[in-house]
Amino acid sequence: QSALTQPPSASGSPGQSVTISCTGTSSDVGGYNYVSWYQQHPGKVPKVMIYEVNKRPSGVPDRFSGSKSGNTASLTVSGLQAEDEADYYCSSYAGSNTVVFGGGTKLTVL
Amino acid sequence: EVQLVESGGGLVQPGGSLRLSCSASGFTFSSYAMHWVRQAPGKGLEYVSAISSNGGSTYYADSVKGRFTISRDNSKNTLSLQMSSLRAEDTAVYYCVKDQAVTGYFDYWGQGTLVTVSS
Repeated sequence: QSALTQPPSASGSPGQSVTISCTGTSSDVGGYNYVSWYQQHPGKVPKVMIYEVNKRPSGVPDRFSGSKSGNTASLTVSGLQAEDEADYYCSSYAGSNTVVFGGGTKLTVL
Repeated sequence: EVQLVESGGGLVQPGGSLRLSCSASGFTFSSYAMHWVRQAPGKGLEYVSAISSNGGSTYYADSVKGRFTISRDNSKNTLSLQMSSLRAEDTAVYYCVKDQAVTGYFDYWGQGTLVTVSS
């Protein structure tokens, strides 16, 4: 049940693109196409931005995209906007109704 | 509209017990797995426990195994978490979470209830 590995911070200027990585193992990220990404603004409840690696729930801008290669998943935010500044958490299904989260990445819009 | 409303949080002494509840509405509660996820002050998300849609299967993180018990009452659309032998490190906001597809796709989260373990 080790946490997935995310960089603690990432940053970019408005309009730029930024990619956040999420590294796990063959028992979680690499073993299933069930990676999700959550956005959390300070004092707010987490909101799902990507599920099943690259699917966007209704209402999530297409500036958010997800991908996966081997044991590493990635979230890319294109055309950065000020409101994208938040904490981002990845998660992966790990079998038997269990999920593991990443440690979180603080995204700063410069 | 889907709503998840947690209750039962509060201040408890180390070694004490507390029972959290989550009242669900706006969806067919009995059709979905449910989870508890917690977040310590200033820290990241931590997966705590899961229960299958019919309550027949449960899962616990190693950090709470043997101390926490998850349950559900599908007739009352209620999810519960019985917490015992509480420790300071259990201090966190506890979120009730709906799993859309039994794949860890958490589409709805409650507002959370704060549990503080302190003497």
